[in-house]
Amino acid sequence: QSALTQPRSVSGSPGQSVTISCDGSSSDVGNYNYVSWYQQHPGIAPKVIIYDVTKRPSGVPDRFSGSKSANTASLTISGLQAEDEGDYYCCSYAGSNTWVFGGGTKVTVL
Amino acid sequence: EVQLVESGGGSVQPGGSLRLSCVASGFPFSSYSMNWVRQAPGKGLEWISYITRDNSIIRYADSVKGRFTISRDNAKNSLYLLMNGLRAEDTAVYYCARDWQWHFDYWGQGSLVAVAS
Repeated sequence: QSALTQPRSVSGSPGQSVTISCDGSSSDVGNYNYVSWYQQHPGIAPKVIIYDVTKRPSGVPDRFSGSKSANTASLTISGLQAEDEGDYYCCSYAGSNTWVFGGGTKVTVL
Repeated sequence: EVQLVESGGGSVQPGGSLRLSCVASGFPFSSYSMNWVRQAPGKGLEWISYITRDNSIIRYADSVKGRFTISRDNAKNSLYLLMNGLRAEDTAVYYCARDWQWHFDYWGQGSLVAVAS
């Protein structure tokens, strides 16, 4: 149950694109298409923005997109907006009804 | 509207016990598996426990196995987490989260547990 690896921080100017990587292993990210991403603003509960690697829940802007290659998942925010600033966490199903989260990435809009 | 409301958090001494509750509304609680996820101050999210809708499968993270017990009462639309042998490193905000197709689609507002002497 080792945590997934994410960069501590990424930044970009409004309108730019940023990508957050999420490195796992063949036991989690590489073995299941059940990667989800969560956005969290200070003092507020996390909110799912991507699930099943690429799917967006209703109401989530299409500037958020997800992908996966081998043991690494990625979240891309296109057309960065001020309200996108916050913490982002990846999560992968790890088998036997267990999950593992990444350490989180702080997104800063310059 | 789906709502999950946690309660029961507070301050406790090391070695003590606490029971968290999560009351669900706005959806058929008995039809969904549920989870507990925690977040230590200034740290990331950590999944800690899972329970199926009918209690048939229960799972724990290694960090809490043997000390924490998850349970539910479908008649009361409630999820519980009994925490024994609490340690300083268990200090965190504890969230209940609904499981839907292998991700957590709804979260409660969280309940703070502080373990300190």
